[in-house]
Amino acid sequence: SAVISQKPSRDICQRGTSLTIQCQVDSQVTMMFWYRQQPGQSLTLIATANQGSEATYESGFVIDKFPISRPNLTFSTLTVSNMSPEDSSIYLCSVEEGGANTGELFFGEGSRLTVL
Amino acid sequence: AQSVAQPEDQVNVAEGNPLTVKCTYSVSGNPYLFWYVQYPNRGLQFLLKYITGDNLVKGSYGFEAEFNKSQTSFHLKKPSALVSDSALYFCAVRDRMDSSYKLIFGSGTRLLVRP
Repeated sequence: SAVISQKPSRDICQRGTSLTIQCQVDSQVTMMFWYRQQPGQSLTLIATANQGSEATYESGFVIDKFPISRPNLTFSTLTVSNMSPEDSSIYLCSVEEGGANTGELFFGEGSRLTVL
Repeated sequence: AQSVAQPEDQVNVAEGNPLTVKCTYSVSGNPYLFWYVQYPNRGLQFLLKYITGDNLVKGSYGFEAEFNKSQTSFHLKKPSALVSDSALYFCAVRDRMDSSYKLIFGSGTRLLVRP
């Protein structure tokens, strides 16, 4: 299975600032997914990031707030812009293995953000 | 629209007893179904999946799940619970007809296995 590394693992941020989360995978993958897990909640898909194209955002998430880069097949970044306390969450990077649409997702350890 | 329901916020069971964590789903077409586990301060780990074929699926750590199409359920089971099974469990579904590959997660069920 893919090994996924996320940085930072946790951070405390000030309101109004922006933070970029990095996701590194040890193998080449076509699709990478960014999820948010708010405190005590389930996972919500933010966007799907394909290499060489614009990310596809889910309803309720916009590129200005969550810009995503996908420069190659092993790396992606998610930026949380102009943060507010409501952005305090765990942000998870994931990739799929086992075949398109049938494969399971593998997750990084997550980046726990606290916004003051 | 796809959705997943996990009706129990928490399940308590004694070590050695069988456990069941419930999941029901709703999709337009046929589903791909998954179970994940999350230990404290960790990312999610894949447990098992149903794609096609045998309705009883076996996965990691002795867990299994049964796909029931008529009841639109995919309950997670284990014959004998361990204290180390205590964690947060998520059911997830993908619609075979959805080309976005989006995985929808349930709200999660906290499993507490007491010694």
